[in-house]
Amino acid sequence: GNSVTQMEGPVTLSEEAFLTINCTYTATGYPSLFWYVQYPGEGLQLLLKATKADDKGSNKGFEATYRKETTSFHLEKGSVQVSDSAVYFCALSYSGGSNYKLTFGKGTLLTVNP
Amino acid sequence: EPEVTQTPSHQVTQMGQEVILRCVPISNHLYFYWYRQILGQKVEFLVSFYNNEISEKSEIFDDQFSVERPDGSNFTLKIRSTKLEDSAMYFCASSWEVSLHFGNGTRLTVT
Repeated sequence: GNSVTQMEGPVTLSEEAFLTINCTYTATGYPSLFWYVQYPGEGLQLLLKATKADDKGSNKGFEATYRKETTSFHLEKGSVQVSDSAVYFCALSYSGGSNYKLTFGKGTLLTVNP
Repeated sequence: EPEVTQTPSHQVTQMGQEVILRCVPISNHLYFYWYRQILGQKVEFLVSFYNNEISEKSEIFDDQFSVERPDGSNFTLKIRSTKLEDSAMYFCASSWEVSLHFGNGTRLTVT
C-alpha cells in the first residue's frame, strides 16, 4: 500500500538557519505529493504541493522537489524564522477515482529559537 | 478565503454516549473527508464521501461510525457509542480536486 516516511523529530534550529526535513514515499502509480503545516492549536494547512515528477512546489520560502528516481519530496527553507515553528507533515494522494485521500507521514516538530 | 468550519471545537462525553461532530465544507467542493489525530500520533484517514455516498473507508471506520450530508451544506461524523480510545482530534476536510482543505478540528475527550 501507499506510505510516507519522514524524518523523525523534533528539530530545533536557530533563526536564519537552513532547514531540511526529509520525506520518502512508497506508492503505486504516480501520486501527488504535499507538505502540510500545523501551527499550535490549529488545523492542517496546505504549504505546498507537486503533482508530477520533477515539479517543484514552493510557498512562503519553503520548497520541495518531486524526485521520482529517489521517491522523495524533501522540504527545504533557506532561512527559518521563529514563526515557522510548527509540525510539518509530508503526504501523498493517489486518486482512486472518487476521492483524493491523503496518506500522511508521522509529522516533524520544528522549533525555531530566536 | 473560504474555510472549512468545524463545531464544536471541544466535546467532552462519557463512554458509551453518542456524539455528532459537525463540519461545513467549502461550498463548491465535491469531496469530503474525516481524519483523526490521536495526541502525539499521525493523522489517520477515516472516510471519504463523494456523490452522497462513502467512496472509501479505513479499518478504523467500523460500525460505530457513520457520516451524513443531510442538507447539502453540513457534513457530520457520528460515533454511536464512544470508547475511551476514540479520544482524539477529528479533522474534517473538503476538496474540489487534489488539494484538501482542513478545518481546525474538534477535540473529542471521552471520559
